[in-house]
Formats: sequence, C-alpha cells, structure tokens
Amino acid sequence: EEQLVESGGGLVQPGGSLRLSCVASGFSLNSYWMHWVRQTPGKGLVWVSRIKSDGTTTTYADSVKGRFTISRDNAKNTVYLQMNSLRAEDTAVYYCTRDNDWYFDLWGRGTLVTVPS
Amino acid sequence: SYEVTQPLSVSVALGQTATISCGGNNIGSKNVHWYQQKPGQAPVLVIYRDNNRPSGIPERFSGSNSGNTATLTISRAQAGDEADYYCHVWDTTTACVFGTGTKVTVL
Repeated sequence: EEQLVESGGGLVQPGGSLRLSCVASGFSLNSYWMHWVRQTPGKGLVWVSRIKSDGTTTTYADSVKGRFTISRDNAKNTVYLQMNSLRAEDTAVYYCTRDNDWYFDLWGRGTLVTVPS
Repeated sequence: SYEVTQPLSVSVALGQTATISCGGNNIGSKNVHWYQQKPGQAPVLVIYRDNNRPSGIPERFSGSNSGNTATLTISRAQAGDEADYYCHVWDTTTACVFGTGTKVTVL
C-alpha cells in the first residue's frame, strides 16, 4: 500500500525551529515532485513548498520564503521541511503530498505544528 | 495573485444532486482538480484534470470546467459524502492555488 507518514510536529516558541519529515512507503519517491501543504485548524488548504524529483529545484510560498527549506533524501524515501523563525501564523497541520502530473494523488495524515502567540 | 472562490456551504437532500462551483478568471483554460476532506482526515483526490476520476472514486462524482467556473457534481448524494471540498489549480507553473473550500451537508 502506498503511504506517506509525516512526523516532527510539536509545540515550539516563536522564533524557534522544527524539522518535519515525510516518509514514503509502497512506492519510490524518486519519481515524483513532492509538496508540503498546510491547514490552519478550521481553515482551508494552503500550499507551502515543493521539490523536484531529483532535488534540484525548489519553490516556496511567499509567506515562508527565506524561513523554510524543503529537501529530500531519495535513498531514505524521505522529504523534509526545515522551518526556522517560526511565527504564530505558521500554526497548522502540515501535510506531505505527492505530485502526479500537477495534481496531488496521495496525502499523508499530517503533523501539527503549534506556535503560540 | 490568482484567486479562486467557492461557496462556503452547500446543502443537498439525500439521494439528490449537489453542485459545487469554483470560480476564477478564465479558469476554463486551466486544469482543475478536486479534493474531499472529512473531519480529522487528510484530503483525498476525487477529480483530476477537470473531469477524471481516480480509481476507487464512485461514478457519482463528476466534474466540468468552462469559462470562469469549474463545477464538481455529486449525484445521488449519500451521508458519507458529507465533507469539505476544495478545488485546486496552478496559476502559473509555480503558483499553486486552492479554493476557499465548500462544506457539503447531506440532509
């Protein structure tokens, strides 16, 4: 069964850092672009970042540019999101999702990041 | 930046048809994808590229896209279809946009 499992969320003080991980199983990550999408509790989906299958290209939403870094280790079938200088408005559930020709066909269950105000 | 709007909520009687709109400037020129999200769960793809169903998604789910509006249609609505639904487009190759989301209630 194809699956994505996120981890690394938690409570962090403003200005702090967290690294999220997304481990893929049941398929090989190295064929796919991968994305992070977040959702503030009770709100909608917001795209955060993406990384090309070979890791050579990354893109970020303006709201996280310069603070977040996406990376991947295809040998470990894992995608990461390094989050620095965290703010209260970064509080959300962070989902890892697989890009299959510009649509997201597989999602993880998400990991909650809480930054108190 | 490109904006995509959806109605906040849609109600449908059990067994009837629900339609969820996704409005954007000339959205008919873009590929639109739709996701279903039930409370406490991750989103699930239900329609991709306007009108294609992934395997495992019932035929009751269909999509269309023309002009300034894309539409997700749920025929013969069931209680299990209650969820939030989001449309999704790429404005450019680097601008990923989700709709505001629509809560579907089955009466």
